[in-house]
Amino acid sequence: RKEVEQDPGPFNVPEGATVAFNCTYSNSASQSFFWYRQDCRKEPKLLMSVYSSGNEDGRFTAQLNRASQYISLLIRDSKLSDSATYLCVVHLAGGYQKVTFGTGTKLQVIP
Amino acid sequence: NAGVTQTPKFQVLKTGQSMTLQCAQDMNHNSMYWYRQDPGMGLRLIYYSASEGTTDKGEVPNGYNVSRLNKREFSLRLESAAPSQTSVYFCASSEVLQGWLQGEGQETQYFGPGTRLLVL
Repeated sequence: RKEVEQDPGPFNVPEGATVAFNCTYSNSASQSFFWYRQDCRKEPKLLMSVYSSGNEDGRFTAQLNRASQYISLLIRDSKLSDSATYLCVVHLAGGYQKVTFGTGTKLQVIP
Repeated sequence: NAGVTQTPKFQVLKTGQSMTLQCAQDMNHNSMYWYRQDPGMGLRLIYYSASEGTTDKGEVPNGYNVSRLNKREFSLRLESAAPSQTSVYFCASSEVLQGWLQGEGQETQYFGPGTRLLVL
């Protein structure tokens, strides 16, 4: 089983739609969680951290479920500019910088 | 601030050739990383450096060496390039927050624009 798993997509959605991505992780000692966005042929950039209580940033909502070991990203009112690949990132803590990236979920927002 | 810069942007090598990928950051971060990204594989950590003067192997270190020249610069060297090393290479830096080793806090990685390497 991969340490971090994501549905690769692509998710093709019309403008204005709501879309959700899930990510599962296998190591229960994982400490910190993030969503990064990567545009085609560009570097990954932080979209948002994911907190246990859930957090929202404009049209984006991130949730963490430690019991089931998954995190989610919800995008409301999708824009054409949201088209990108979304990477789930999981950090382990404790003396060793262990960062695991998911393979990403591709989103294409269609006019 | 330029953030994280990488050179070169593109490189074509023949099998057996050597080269060094350069990375520099101007954010005064302690931690720096080298990743490779391949289709369907996600980003995989090659080496990382928690602070100036220290380096550690990541998930896929074979065939690579690194040097943390100073706090700003972290280079990746391919001594004898192989076709399996064709990839996109990203350098990143981050600031480890106080208490991180105890599992507290969060930290963000900032990535350079990447180097596209083709080994023939």
